[in-house]
Parts: sequence; structure tokens; C-alpha cells
Amino acid sequence: DAMVIQNPRYQVTQFGKPVTLSCSQTLNHNVMYWYQQKSSQAPKLLFHYYDKDFNNEADTPDNFQSRRPNTSFCFLDIRSPGLGDAAMYLCATSRVLSTDTQYFGPGTRLTVL
Amino acid sequence: GQQVMQIPQYQHVQEGEDFTTYCNSSTTLSNIQWYKQRPGGHPVFLIQLVKSGEVKKQKRLTFQFGEAKKNSSLHITATQTTDVGTYFCAGPSGAGSYQLTFGKGTKLSVIP
Repeated sequence: DAMVIQNPRYQVTQFGKPVTLSCSQTLNHNVMYWYQQKSSQAPKLLFHYYDKDFNNEADTPDNFQSRRPNTSFCFLDIRSPGLGDAAMYLCATSRVLSTDTQYFGPGTRLTVL
Repeated sequence: GQQVMQIPQYQHVQEGEDFTTYCNSSTTLSNIQWYKQRPGGHPVFLIQLVKSGEVKKQKRLTFQFGEAKKNSSLHITATQTTDVGTYFCAGPSGAGSYQLTFGKGTKLSVIP
């Protein structure tokens, strides 16, 4: 089945130690999104890629970066994680850049010690 | 940016009772989407509403989009324990925006 895969499902890192989260998709969708979701809150969009074009949300901290080496893969890099960055990180895809249906991966739960 | 307000934040119902969550926007929405997130899971797309006054049904779930396209509701008839989760509405972040802004969600608990 076509799907959105995130690895790892759980990630523990130390305060200030860089971490990379991975997302891959077999849907061949043009758009990939990264969301941050804290406990009992709505997903908050960090940035998205439309093909190779990167779009950062205005309030996304510089600490968060992303890479999309090809259509299938997208990475979220957190350069210096702080305690406040502990959250679930959700990757999503959509076929086109519109308010199209978004397909979410299972998420990576990040713990910062 | 666009804000989408959702109420209630929590709802506890007895199994078999009905449930409704409401979504409101201060501005007209081109469309609205609904997602369900099970405990420990990820958001899963339920439906998209586009037309003014649109009503769509999925088994026990009824979705409505207001005439002014500023509000929407999700109604579940005769809830079951499998309905447990958080229901989010999501609308465009702004006029012409391609990003979605999610409401804060309504967390539904069903008491067997």
C-alpha cells in the first residue's frame, strides 16, 4: 500500500545535540509537510516543500531545518534541540499544492533530556 | 493568519449518545477539512467540504458546511467506542493560502 513512513518512531536526544528525523513516501506526491504537535494541541505547520521549493512558516525557529533530496524523502533537522522542542513531529504529503487532502505519517515522538 | 476556532475542547459521552463538534472562522473559508486522530495515532483525513451549505454523510458521521462558509460541524449519531479520538477541523491559513490551519480539536471520550 502507498504510504507515508517516518523513522524513527521514537527518538531521544540530549539538550543541544543535533537530531534528524526522516520521512519517506510512496505516494509520489509533490508536496511534503512537517508539523510539530505538542500534547493535546493541534498540529502546527513548520514548513513544506513543493517539489524542490522550500517554504518556511514565518514563526518556525531557525533551529529547525529541512532537506528534500528527492521526491520520496524529506528530513527534519533540529540543530540544537531544547526542552521545548519535545513533541510529536508529523510528516504529511499532498498530491498538489492546494488545500488538497493531506496524508500523515505515524509521527516521530521526540524526547529531549 | 487565519484562525479556526473549534468547540468544545473535550466531550465525554455515554456509548450510544450523539456527539457534535463545531468549527468557526471569522472569515469565509474556501473549503474545510476534517481529520480524526486516535489516541497515540496520527491525523487521518475524513472529508473535505467545499460548497456553501454542503452536507455530507459517512455512515454515522454527518458533516455540514455553513451557508456563509464560515462554520462547519461534525455530528456523530449513536457513538461507539471506536469513535474515541480527537477530531480536528482545518481550513486554509489565509485567502489564497495553500496551507492548512488546524483547529485545536475536540477530544471525544466514549464511556462504554
